[in-house]
Amino acid sequence: AQKVTQAQTEISVVEKEDVTLDCVYETRDTTYYLFWYKQPPSGELVFLIRRNSFDEQNEISGRYSWNFQKSTSSFNFTITASQVVDSAVYFCALGGGGADGLTFGKGTHLIIQP
Amino acid sequence: SAVISQKPSRDICQRGTSLTIQCQVDSQVTMMFWYRQQPGQSLTLIATANQGSEATYESGFVIDKFPISRPNLTFSTLTVSNMSPEDSSIYLCSVVVLDTNYGYTFGSGTRLTVV
Repeated sequence: AQKVTQAQTEISVVEKEDVTLDCVYETRDTTYYLFWYKQPPSGELVFLIRRNSFDEQNEISGRYSWNFQKSTSSFNFTITASQVVDSAVYFCALGGGGADGLTFGKGTHLIIQP
Repeated sequence: SAVISQKPSRDICQRGTSLTIQCQVDSQVTMMFWYRQQPGQSLTLIATANQGSEATYESGFVIDKFPISRPNLTFSTLTVSNMSPEDSSIYLCSVVVLDTNYGYTFGSGTRLTVV
């Protein structure tokens, strides 16, 4: 069975601080996909990134960066120079390749204080 | 990526009644899924909506409570039957596009309150 663990329930930082959201996953699949989604207070799910299991390159997109390490089954997400608009719930999710739905972690509620 | 229209966006329903939620996609997609997000919780997969056959339900979800239809490759409905306050949740439709930009797109959700 697949499992995603986001151990941090809530994180609160002051604006402009860097913050890392942790994600640890479990799967027996050799091919799988990892995702991060943002859910602002309005409720919609905003896609942030997809990473497949055979691509361990880290990725940077503006203030966002992702660190994928298969050796530790982790896919962590870092926001640098955080802003109030980054306040949201962030979900890490795991999928098997399209035929199955996603398994979500419990989410991390990120609060950026001005 | 696909664009999803989900209706209604929200509703308040009496216990014991049923609500049907619609999910319309702007392109043909193979895989469609329904999720539930209970208040303050994560998303849980309810079922995979299969075109032309019965939906595939996850553990803890049954067809009598959550009947699903998928008449074609662009449309699906989820019915929440015989509702109780415990069914108050956000219900989301999702599709996956299997191309080079492989990803899961989610509808904006239906916020259901059962009173």
